[in-house]
Amino acid sequence: QKEVEQDPGPLSVPEGAIVSLNCTYSNSAFQYFMWYRQYSRKGPELLMYTYSSGNKEDGRFTAQVDKSSKYISLFIRDSQPSDSATYLCAMRVSNTGNQFYFGTGTSLTVIP
Amino acid sequence: GAVVSQHPSWVICKSGTSVKIECRSLDFQATTMFWYRQFPKQSLMLMATSNEGSKATYEQGVEKDKFLINHASLTLSTLTVTSAHPEDSSFYICSARNSLSYEQYFGPGTRLTVT
Repeated sequence: QKEVEQDPGPLSVPEGAIVSLNCTYSNSAFQYFMWYRQYSRKGPELLMYTYSSGNKEDGRFTAQVDKSSKYISLFIRDSQPSDSATYLCAMRVSNTGNQFYFGTGTSLTVIP
Repeated sequence: GAVVSQHPSWVICKSGTSVKIECRSLDFQATTMFWYRQFPKQSLMLMATSNEGSKATYEQGVEKDKFLINHASLTLSTLTVTSAHPEDSSFYICSARNSLSYEQYFGPGTRLTVT
């Protein structure tokens, strides 16, 4: 079993839709949860960073962590064509540790 | 925000040659840098952890003699792919960890094509 599971998609939605992206994980020691956006042929860009359980909102983006279910989500409201990218979840045990565990990424296309 | 650059962004080389990729943290010091490889439609796979002034730590299955890593300063790490083969063609991404905040920032990646 992989440490982090993420549906690769592809996911296609109309502009303005609410997008839900999810990851599940197996290691209960993960404490830090990140969502990255990666445009084609570019490096990942940090979108959201959450410690432990709970919600975090930043503009149109909301990250949720449910540690009891080992499940994290990223919601995008009022999706825009510019949101079209691959979204990667990532996790780590500690803030000072080296190892990131990445999901495979979900490819999202927002259709105008 | 913190910026990490990579050079070159794209390189084509012939089989058997060596290619050097640079990773620089532009506005912060990075004691630790990381090198990842990403194949199409796959996630990032950590290759090695580079520490300034010491030898890199390689992940299992990564050949240290093939992927030479040097971290000579607090803002620069290099990855040299030696005797490159077509199967080494991939997207190589570095990340740099801010020595003060421990935040990691990714570079834009280098696309290597070996013909």
